[in-house]
Amino acid sequence: NAGVMQNPRHLVRRRGQEARLRCSPMKGHSHVYWYRQLPEEGLKFMVYLQKENIIDESGMPKERFSAEFPKEGPSILRIQQVVRGDSAAYFCASSRTRDRTTYEQYFGPGTRLTVT
Amino acid sequence: KNQVEQSPQSLIILEGKNCTLQCNYTVSPFSNLRWYKQDTGRGPVSLTIMTFSENTKSNRRYTATLDADTKQSSLHITASQLSDSASYICVVSDKEDSSYKLIFGSGTRLLVRP
Repeated sequence: NAGVMQNPRHLVRRRGQEARLRCSPMKGHSHVYWYRQLPEEGLKFMVYLQKENIIDESGMPKERFSAEFPKEGPSILRIQQVVRGDSAAYFCASSRTRDRTTYEQYFGPGTRLTVT
Repeated sequence: KNQVEQSPQSLIILEGKNCTLQCNYTVSPFSNLRWYKQDTGRGPVSLTIMTFSENTKSNRRYTATLDADTKQSSLHITASQLSDSASYICVVSDKEDSSYKLIFGSGTRLLVRP
């Protein structure tokens, strides 16, 4: 059973370009979460999605960032017109059900975005 | 101010020794507390999860404790191995409705030397 898969593992973009980060959840998982980790900081919640629905995007910057989890295919985190401050590691996690007690989340290896 | 504070920031110990990492949190109301291990360049991996009613939880050589009254937790690693070198992250989630929204500490970087 493959774990959470993210690609690419490393992404370099020039300022103003678009970045697309992909996340395939574990088999049988229908809940996806995105987190951002700035250098020397802890992970910060960005968005929680289920298939075709955004449940909570309270951690997403208001502009340039969007996320989707279509009926078919991976979840996508899209950053338009990237700036140097977007350089970070972006982690995706998935969970099987909405277990109200623990929300056990399994993390992918992350995508390291570098904006030059 | 961070809602989850960890200490020390970094720690070096010799292989075979024990160590204890600390976590203080201010998140309230509180749902559960987790400890994760994060190897360099990898995603976090869950070690333990405790609800507010649990005082201790063990997973092999890792033992986590929780004092919900003082809002403190510790992670004790016994008989350390070189493979224990990693960042250990304390993670708290708040009230049940949004307990999926994990609040991460900055982690303690542990280096185990031969």
